[in-house]
Amino acid sequence: DGGITQSPKYLFRKEGQNVTLSCEQNLNHDAMYWYRQDPGQGLRLIYYSQIVNDFQKGDIAEGYSVSREKKESFPLTVTSAQKNPTAFYLCASMGVRSWNTEAFFGQGTRLTVV
Amino acid sequence: AQKVTQAQTEISVVEKEDVTLDCVYETRDTTYYLFWYKQPPSGELVFLIRRNSFDEQNEISGRYSWNFQKSTSSFNFTITASQVVDSAVYFCALSEPYYGNNRLAFGKGNQVVVIP
Repeated sequence: DGGITQSPKYLFRKEGQNVTLSCEQNLNHDAMYWYRQDPGQGLRLIYYSQIVNDFQKGDIAEGYSVSREKKESFPLTVTSAQKNPTAFYLCASMGVRSWNTEAFFGQGTRLTVV
Repeated sequence: AQKVTQAQTEISVVEKEDVTLDCVYETRDTTYYLFWYKQPPSGELVFLIRRNSFDEQNEISGRYSWNFQKSTSSFNFTITASQVVDSAVYFCALSEPYYGNNRLAFGKGNQVVVIP
């Protein structure tokens, strides 16, 4: 089935460690997105990419990095520079060449710093 | 700058009442897309409706309806005859294909609580 897969579902990180969240889609979508969700904060855009080997910073990119080496994959690295990384992370993808487009979301990764 | 504004944070209604969620957006694109998503307690976002900027026709889909007005940059969403299963967080979102490089921005969400 076509869809978008995030892994792992739960992730624990020690302070000072980098950790990478996986996001894979088989929908042949050009655009991919990473969001962070904190209680009461809604979805805040971290990074987005509309094409392979290109990405743009969102509203809260500091302390995060991404890569887009393949159309299907858009991994997010939470670096040690991110001071408060505990949050729910959502990845999305969207086709951009059709008027009938919508964003599809993964099931999310809950990251906890221990 | 906040691109999508959802003013109300939590809305409580009694079952079978209607509930309307307000969304105001800002964009430089002349062609753009607006969406409403639902996030139940499980956390996964569920797509509800989409509206393209060149189509201001308002529609009804089951118990959902929306009112898109370009003149006021608003895209309001109504649930008619609410049910307990409608309890969730609802997000309005804006996609900007040109000036935004396909940026997709969300509002802060409305927590809807339907009381039986």
